[in-house]
Amino acid sequence: AQKITQTQPGMFVQEKEAVTLDCTYDTSDQSYGLFWYKQPSSGEMIFLIYQGSYDEQNATEGRYSLNFQKARKSANLVISASQLGDSAMYFCAMREGNYGGSQGNLIFGKGTKLSVKP
Amino acid sequence: GAVVSQHPSWVICKSGTSVKIECRSLDFQATTMFWYRQFPKQSLMLMATSNEGSKATYEQGVEKDKFLINHASLTLSTLTVTSAHPEDSSFYICSARDPTWYSNQPQHFGDGTRLSIL
Repeated sequence: AQKITQTQPGMFVQEKEAVTLDCTYDTSDQSYGLFWYKQPSSGEMIFLIYQGSYDEQNATEGRYSLNFQKARKSANLVISASQLGDSAMYFCAMREGNYGGSQGNLIFGKGTKLSVKP
Repeated sequence: GAVVSQHPSWVICKSGTSVKIECRSLDFQATTMFWYRQFPKQSLMLMATSNEGSKATYEQGVEKDKFLINHASLTLSTLTVTSAHPEDSSFYICSARDPTWYSNQPQHFGDGTRLSIL
């Protein structure tokens, strides 16, 4: 079974509008972290936002916010006021377990390709 | 600025040659680094976890003798693709995380290496 599921292979959004990218996860651990990364066509992975399993409030970072619904095991990314430069692949990722210290690799979803239309 | 440096960014070579990719942590000592592989339009798949001073931990299905990992210092891990063949062509990307950081700190990625085997 997939640990991270991103059901939207591709999404279109009009410039200046908001868009939600879906992510659901599967874990039996009580302690875990959820991340969103942006990957432009050049290939680098850009960290956007983090949500810890014990965080009670939804994470926000500028135009990015994470709609965390723990009971549903979902961690959707919301991008407000889309810009042309937001066009890229977006990956949801999870780090399981007690990840204090250096351990804890990321498990990635298949990604969503976002295209922002002018 | 970049906290993880990966070199080279692009390699084109003949079938049968070996290719070395370097991953350096710039501002911190990384006892653990991760090597991922990404095929076009697909997600990142963890290949191996590189541990300083000890043997790397490979994921199931990854050939240890094909993908040699050396983590000889706290700031450098290398991935050597031995006797490369066209099917080894892919995007390879490393990441590292400062073990002294709090658990909500993300892994930082290198900019990746595009490997093309002719």
